[in-house]
Amino acid sequence: AQSVTQLGSHVSVSEGALVLLRCNYSSSVPPYLFWYVQYPNQGLQLLLKYTTGATLVKGINGFEAEFKKSETSFHLTKPSAHMSDAAEYFCAVSEVGGGFKTIFGAGTRLFVKA
Amino acid sequence: EAQVTQNPRYLITVTGKKLTVTCSQNMNHEYMSWYRQDPGLGLRQIYYSMNVEATDKGDVPEGYKVSRKEKRNFPLILESPSPNQTSLYFCASSLNRENTEAFFGQGTRLTVV
Repeated sequence: AQSVTQLGSHVSVSEGALVLLRCNYSSSVPPYLFWYVQYPNQGLQLLLKYTTGATLVKGINGFEAEFKKSETSFHLTKPSAHMSDAAEYFCAVSEVGGGFKTIFGAGTRLFVKA
Repeated sequence: EAQVTQNPRYLITVTGKKLTVTCSQNMNHEYMSWYRQDPGLGLRQIYYSMNVEATDKGDVPEGYKVSRKEKRNFPLILESPSPNQTSLYFCASSLNRENTEAFFGQGTRLTVV
């Protein structure tokens, strides 16, 4: 069975500092991995995704994530936080070609301090 | 514009009064899904549909019904709502089995009193 664990329900960084949001997954088959962002009163939108190929994935707004199979991790990073990055972030996993079910983590709320 | 549209955005209802939340997508996606979002629990899947007339239970299906008579529409039905179904609901769609990136609606905030 698939599962997703996001370490830290809240993360606070200063503007300009590194953003690191942690995600670990479990899957019995090769996974597709996603990061979604949710701004207040909005639906989720895709930040980036890993399907196959290069393990370092770049997304929108300067975010990137690295798929590390040995660590079953897919951590999200951004070198320099901006106030507009304050939002809730969700890691998700689905099975490669094995079906449509997607499992979401509990979410990490990012606060950015001026 | 490619989008997933949910209606209504906000709904307050009383226990036991049947309601339907509509969801429509204009991207010709095969897959549609309903989630509920609760604090600390992330998104939990209620039901999903692989295509027309093909639906299946997600992780928390109790108290909900769905139908997929047309490819674009996937309504969520609460036959007899209860206060524990107070939540934020999202509809999402994905292209197909190989392209599972989800496109989400704006959400429906439901309160059952």
